[in-house]
Parts: sequence; structure tokens; C-alpha cells
Amino acid sequence: EPEVTQTPSHQVTQMGQEVILRCVPISNHLYFYWYRQILGQKVEFLVSFYNNEISEKSEIFDDQFSVERPDGSNFTLKIRSTKLEDSAMYFCASILEGGEQFFGPGTRLTVL
Amino acid sequence: KNEVEQSPQNLTAQEGEFITINCSYSVGISALHWLQQHPGGGIVSLFMLSSGKKKHGRLIATINIQEKHSSLHITASHPRDSAVYICAVFGNTDKLIFGTGTRLQVFP
Repeated sequence: EPEVTQTPSHQVTQMGQEVILRCVPISNHLYFYWYRQILGQKVEFLVSFYNNEISEKSEIFDDQFSVERPDGSNFTLKIRSTKLEDSAMYFCASILEGGEQFFGPGTRLTVL
Repeated sequence: KNEVEQSPQNLTAQEGEFITINCSYSVGISALHWLQQHPGGGIVSLFMLSSGKKKHGRLIATINIQEKHSSLHITASHPRDSAVYICAVFGNTDKLIFGTGTRLQVFP
């Protein structure tokens, strides 16, 4: 069964460093999403991406964040200068069109 | 006030019991999702609803668009159903709005 994959599963970084979280969505899916979940809190929407551009972003998704689909298979989330409060689980998801969301297993980001 | 409210926040049950988790939302929606988050953190989509009722195995989801309310039912609950169940809605934008989740523990 096709699945969304994410790498790495756990990333530890120093405050101020750049991190890139990687996702490989399901191959024929068209819509891509990043979400985050701070420990003990609810899942929050970050950004949606369709047709090689951002279609919606939340107030969390400020200039420190960017997304890219560089090669037609990977979908990346970059955090330019990490802060302590960026520590969270980051989930990627994809859908075909108007269908159920398929979530990746998540990347746990720890900022020290 | 949260746009998506779930109740209860925590739920414990004995194996075999019938479980109901409720979700109310305050925005116009195009679809409502029920998700399951395992203790390890992974999220699985259970249902996507825009009207009526869906059933998958022991799980049933219903939605009442007029009342802005949805329920997730689990029949004959089992310890492996222990997880966090999350209601999330697509409003009129391409943005999924999540509830805070209901933590379910089913004891043998």
C-alpha cells in the first residue's frame, strides 16, 4: 500500500541552525501539507501546497519557514533559524483531490 | 473559543463497551475528518465525511451539517482501540482545523 515517508525520524539541532525536513508524498497525489504538534498540544496546520505554490499558510508559517518541491517527488520544509519553540513533531500529508489525508510518520525536531 | 471542540477530552472504557466521541465545529466546512493518533505519534485517517454516515468495521462516523456536529462510535471496543481520536475540519480554505483530541483507554 502506498505511504507517505518522512526523514529523518528525529532531528536534534542547536538554536539558530537551519533544518530541512523531508517528505516523499504518495506519487499521484496533488496536494501537500505540513503540520506540527508541540508535545502535549493539538496538531496545527502550517502550510498547504498545490501546483508548485503555497495555497494556504497559517500565522505560524512566518518568514523563517519555507517549502519546496524540488524534484517532483520530495516535499521539504525548511526552518531557517530554529528557535526553542520550534521543537515539535512535524507531519507531512498528501491527498489526491478532495480525499482522505495520508499522513507521514512524522519528524521529531528537538531544538537545544 | 476553538473552532473545533471535542468531548470528552478523556475516556476510559472496559473492553466490549460502546464508545461515542463527539465533535462540534463553528465554521462552515467542506469536509470533516476523523483521525486516530497512536501512542507512538503516527496519525491515520479513519473517515472523511461531508454528509450522512460512514461505517468501517467496528467504527461508525456520522455528521449533522445543520447542527455542525459529528460523532465517532466504536462498537465492541478493544484495548487496541486505545489512542487519541482527533476531529478535524476543512473550512472554506485549504486548511485543516484540528480539535484537541479525545484520549481513549480501553481496559481488558
